[in-house]
Amino acid sequence: GDSVTQMEGPVTLSEEAFLTINCTYTATGYPSLFWYVQYPGEGLQLLLKATKADDKGSNKGFEATYRKETTSFHLEKGSVQVSDSAVYFCALSDRRGLRGSQGNLIFGKGTKLSVKP
Amino acid sequence: DTGVSQDPRHKITKRGQNVTFRCDPISEHNRLYWYRQTLGQGPEFLTYFQNEAQLEKSRLLSDRFSAERPKGSFSTLEIQRTEQGDSAMYLCASSSPTVSGNTIYFGEGSWLTVV
Repeated sequence: GDSVTQMEGPVTLSEEAFLTINCTYTATGYPSLFWYVQYPGEGLQLLLKATKADDKGSNKGFEATYRKETTSFHLEKGSVQVSDSAVYFCALSDRRGLRGSQGNLIFGKGTKLSVKP
Repeated sequence: DTGVSQDPRHKITKRGQNVTFRCDPISEHNRLYWYRQTLGQGPEFLTYFQNEAQLEKSRLLSDRFSAERPKGSFSTLEIQRTEQGDSAMYLCASSSPTVSGNTIYFGEGSWLTVV
């Protein structure tokens, strides 16, 4: 079945460092890809998404490009801040989905990011 | 847009008791989802509603779990005869194919601890 694999954390960076969190996926269809962020004690927030190959999602300085040839959707940010400390989840949604729902989301295990001042 | 609202945010219950969680989706959203998240893991899909119809249930949703969405608006998730393995965060989410490209938006979750 469909699955998402993320790099294991935790990832610890100094403020203003460059961030990459790797994400690869396995899917039989043509999924949409997402990054969600979960701050301590809170629910999931959509960070960015891409719905087709070569699309680039971006938000709050974060970017990820949908690479069909490598089945990847790596998250990047050029200069992290302490406030970016959170758990980041890569997810996919199979467009064939649940009776037209666009699918439930399949998540990776999450990568915890800690940014030190 | 007030977002997806869940209640209660935290619940501690004794093993064998029943618990119920409520979810109020974003008002324009006709699709509602329940997920479960355990520590150190990503969320796992439990069930999905389109309006009041429950269209899909995961194998994770045992017979002790029941979800309803009687009027196609709010939803409840009930767990009967709770077990320690039910301890998790229960996330509700909603979406609409005509709003925001059917992006799924999550609530803040309801933490369940079974002692």
